[in-house]
Amino acid sequence: NSKVIQTPRYLVKGQGQKAKMRCIPEKGHPVVFWYQQNKNNEFKFLINFQNQEVLQQIDMTEKRFSAECPSNSPCSLEIQSSEAGDSALYLCASSHRGRGNTLYFGEGSRLIVV
Amino acid sequence: QQQVRQSPQSLTVWEGETAILNCSYEDSTFDYFPWYHQFPGESPALLIAIRPVSNKKEDGRFTIFFNKREKKFSLHIADSQPGDSATYFCAADSGGSNAKLTFGKGTKLSVKS
Repeated sequence: NSKVIQTPRYLVKGQGQKAKMRCIPEKGHPVVFWYQQNKNNEFKFLINFQNQEVLQQIDMTEKRFSAECPSNSPCSLEIQSSEAGDSALYLCASSHRGRGNTLYFGEGSRLIVV
Repeated sequence: QQQVRQSPQSLTVWEGETAILNCSYEDSTFDYFPWYHQFPGESPALLIAIRPVSNKKEDGRFTIFFNKREKKFSLHIADSQPGDSATYFCAADSGGSNAKLTFGKGTKLSVKS
């Protein structure tokens, strides 16, 4: 059973709608990653945090994507205006540290944009 | 630019055979090479990992062979079982102070009995 908790498991949004996913990392893990896994099972790194600070992020897909990891609250990934191409499994993972360590994945939030 | 290349895309072996999954990389700063497996409908999970100080890492039926000079590493699954059927992903750590795992595109393994 995954100790990284992601919600919701599924979300269906119309094009242009906002989509928000949440992640509670495993207790004691200060580093959180978000990956997008497409229908071909390919992973795309989106962003990672150490505590509340962004370590790295991609160009965040034309600024439609935003993410945060506030203290004492779940981490979140939000798509401001969903597009069909955003349909994917969004995986959150946590780790003891960012480098060379095991990533523990949540079960993912599957976004379907219709 | 695809930094971690994985092959084959799919592989079918008979129960008891050794399955061999291959990966190569380009970035010389990569220094951590894990393999994850993912069963349908489940999240990826770490299977085994190696660092370049070693050229071989074993854990039960699973062995990683690593060739630093050729920038290649492979996963050997000995005595394959139907329960090993899953998608396997190799990955590499980008190193430096801000690290992230870069994944290969996966190999879908089917073990037939």
